[in-house]
Amino acid sequence: GENVEQHPSTLSVQEGDSAVIKCTYSDSASNYFPWYKQELGKRPQLIIDIRSNVGEKKDQRIAVTLNKTAKHFSLHITETQPEDSAVYFCAVGLASGYSTLTFGKGTMLLVSP
Amino acid sequence: SQTIHQWPATLVQPVGSPLSLECTVEGTSNPNLYWYRQAAGRGLQLLFYSVGIGQISSEVPQNLSASRPQDRQFILSSKKLLLSDSGFYLCAWYDPVRAYYGYTFGSGTRLTVV
Repeated sequence: GENVEQHPSTLSVQEGDSAVIKCTYSDSASNYFPWYKQELGKRPQLIIDIRSNVGEKKDQRIAVTLNKTAKHFSLHITETQPEDSAVYFCAVGLASGYSTLTFGKGTMLLVSP
Repeated sequence: SQTIHQWPATLVQPVGSPLSLECTVEGTSNPNLYWYRQAAGRGLQLLFYSVGIGQISSEVPQNLSASRPQDRQFILSSKKLLLSDSGFYLCAWYDPVRAYYGYTFGSGTRLTVV
């Protein structure tokens, strides 16, 4: 089955800095790569996703890059704010059909004012 | 629009007692449905998923079971809870036909087994 590795497990940055979280996966057939943000005690919420037909996607301060050859993808958050503090999960799966998503173990991002 | 309801929000149960958590989805048909568990400070562990009524796939054999009696209803059960069953249980749905929005999670049930 699919194996997803996520690094780092904890990331501390100062407000205004950039944050990068990286994930690697094992199944070359995977073509859907979402990122979820989970605030303390809340449900995970989709913040951005990318499919294998593009190499980069951006939405305001967040962006995701994908390297299918190397089987890794990254979440980039620029100009971090204290409200970005949360646990971020990457996930890997198939964009359609009846597959399941495999999640990384999560990265706790702490943004200090 | 699609919504997902999950209840109860919190639950404290003694060891050995039964469990029933319910999840319903509105505004969609034939969704994929999932049960995940999240232990404190840990990742998301897939427990069960279903692609149709009466169809259940189990990822982690244990004392939990799942059922899908209706198209948009997913139930997680146990006959006898263990201490290790404590955690945050999340239901999720996914539209395999439109496949544009990833998984949408319910608000979760925080289960404490005492």
